[in-house]
Amino acid sequence: NAGVTQTPKFQVLKTGQSMTLQCAQDMNHNSMYWYRQDPGMGLRLIYYSASEGTTDKGEVPNGYNVSRLNKREFSLRLESAAPSQTSVYFCASRDRGLGYTFGSGTRLTVV
Amino acid sequence: AQSVTQLGSHVSVSEGALVLLRCNYSSSVPPYLFWYVQYPNQGLQLLLKYTTGATLVKGINGFEAEFKKSETSFHLTKPSAHMSDAAEYFCAVENSGGSNYKLTFGKGTLLTVNP
Repeated sequence: NAGVTQTPKFQVLKTGQSMTLQCAQDMNHNSMYWYRQDPGMGLRLIYYSASEGTTDKGEVPNGYNVSRLNKREFSLRLESAAPSQTSVYFCASRDRGLGYTFGSGTRLTVV
Repeated sequence: AQSVTQLGSHVSVSEGALVLLRCNYSSSVPPYLFWYVQYPNQGLQLLLKYTTGATLVKGINGFEAEFKKSETSFHLTKPSAHMSDAAEYFCAVENSGGSNYKLTFGKGTLLTVNP
């Protein structure tokens, strides 16, 4: 089915560990995004990529890095996880008709 | 930068009652506006969006929203609440800088529907 696929769906990390959240879309969208969702804070933009080969910081980029591997894939990396990064992470892509499609999310717990 | 304010982090209504979820935005230019719904432990689903044209926008599940430029508002309404409407609702505005489009979200309103 067409859409945005995120892996993994759940992850528990120890403080200081690293991991990469994967995101892929099969809709040929140019723009892709990573958001985090925390209770009472809504969704906040971490990084985005307007097109293949470009990435830009969003509202809360500290502690994260991203890679736009190709047009389909946009990964989010935590180099040294901290408890403050416990959150639900959503990947999204945007089509030219103002349609944003969100993945089902990755629930990350850092202990 | 554009911002979104949702008034009321928690709204409780009775089944059959009017649902009104408030959203105000700050923008120096006419924005594109969105409402999303999130059911427990699920992703975001688009309810409706305003781009240009008619200021009253109809969405899925009987929801609608009206863009009022003079009030910088985009409130979400539904005439009669159903139990299945219980969820968290997010208002969002699209920022654009050249070709760098991105959504800015409000903090969300949790809707409870009482029998």
